[in-house]
Amino acid sequence: QSALTQPASVSGSPGQSITISCTGTSSDIGSYKLVSWYQQHPGKAPKLIIYEVSKRPSGVSNRFSGSKSGNTASLTISGLQAEDEADYYCCSYTGGSIYVIFGGGTKLTVL
Amino acid sequence: QVQLVESGGGVVQPGRSLRLSCVASGFTFSSSGMHWVRQAPGKGLEWVAVIWYDGSNKYHTDSVKGRFTISRDNSKNTLYLEMNSLRPEDTAVYYCAREGGRITMIEYFFDYWGQGTLVTVSS
Repeated sequence: QSALTQPASVSGSPGQSITISCTGTSSDIGSYKLVSWYQQHPGKAPKLIIYEVSKRPSGVSNRFSGSKSGNTASLTISGLQAEDEADYYCCSYTGGSIYVIFGGGTKLTVL
Repeated sequence: QVQLVESGGGVVQPGRSLRLSCVASGFTFSSSGMHWVRQAPGKGLEWVAVIWYDGSNKYHTDSVKGRFTISRDNSKNTLYLEMNSLRPEDTAVYYCAREGGRITMIEYFFDYWGQGTLVTVSS
């Protein structure tokens, strides 16, 4: 089973909003509300920023929001800040013998 | 505060074995499912395995099934990953991660991560 499909890179200026898409299939994103998103700065461990499609963990800025439509999940970051520059990964439960599948990652550049 | 500290990584020859450990603190380890997730150098994340809070269930992704085994010792607040028949494609940073679902549930998201331990499989 292939990874979820994310754009390799996105960019935006400070203060702007960007959206990162994550496309799967009816066997993963389309079938479950178990979509999560992670932020990873270079050389650091990933950090959970969205779970169960649209929920934010305590301490995560409300500038981060998640949604899902059909087989595609999306992460929106509003009011871009320099510190948001990082790699972002989507993740979904998929059942079967793979169980969990990640996207290939999206590098966000804040111009 | 929640802390997860991995150890046991290193350089190993193809076909050999290695055991990773992850010591947990700052939460009730015996009530949380735990995962291993890996990341090959310069690549994306790959989920490896999960174990239920009490060790009653454990699942491994296809690429490691039959070679890797996840286990835990709740008396020592420690998670393990036994890796046998290692291959060059197993080269990665291995992270242990806490299951983020409700107590004793598995919802396959990861709310706390360790700093990772690097495993390099090379002759």
